[in-house]
Amino acid sequence: ETGVTQTPRHLVMGMTNKKSLKCEQHLGHNAMYWYKQSAKKPLELMFVYNFKEQTENNSVPSRFSPECPNSSHLFLHLHTLQPEDSALYLCASSHDHLGEQYFGPGTRLTVT
Amino acid sequence: AQSVTQPDIHITVSEGASLELRCNYSYGATPYLFWYVQSPGQGLQLLLKYFSGDTLVQGIKGFEAEFKRSQSSFNLRKPSVHWSDAAEYFCAVGAKEYGNKLVFGAGTILRVKS
Repeated sequence: ETGVTQTPRHLVMGMTNKKSLKCEQHLGHNAMYWYKQSAKKPLELMFVYNFKEQTENNSVPSRFSPECPNSSHLFLHLHTLQPEDSALYLCASSHDHLGEQYFGPGTRLTVT
Repeated sequence: AQSVTQPDIHITVSEGASLELRCNYSYGATPYLFWYVQSPGQGLQLLLKYFSGDTLVQGIKGFEAEFKRSQSSFNLRKPSVHWSDAAEYFCAVGAKEYGNKLVFGAGTILRVKS
């Protein structure tokens, strides 16, 4: 699905680093999402934005900080992460808060 | 609480054989339902969706799913599996009352043997 792009595709960072994940959607959607996908666990919703406003924070630790400057872009700022934060981070978008979600390819994050 | 169960962690079928992947949900509202597929190292691709109307829905790649309210199920089917269908499949459920929140099942890994 090329409608939602994510960069970088792979990221290795130390626990003291600060990095950001970027998501961009080219579908004209109004809602964007961050999910975490860990091995052998169901997909976990992290954050939801509707029309640039955060409408959901699913008890995510403050070392993850989202930013949504406009309806097309979504960032996830990372700092002082833990090894258990290593996972595939998926971005998704939907036309509105009830529609089907379209996913990006994900960023494979490894925290060392 | 809302939950989605995919009882089969792994399924292996022969190429050309039929396939059925099971999905059961527990929801306190009228659900809308999705099936997604994920190939290794990729994001999730939407296969099909059900919001209302005809309970048998057709999707991409020859897949279909049937919503059975009485059984709280939304099983995915394909009459003849191709080797390229090997991937992980996720069922997801949402409802108007819960806004954007989709609940995903744990996934079923499909292996296709030639």
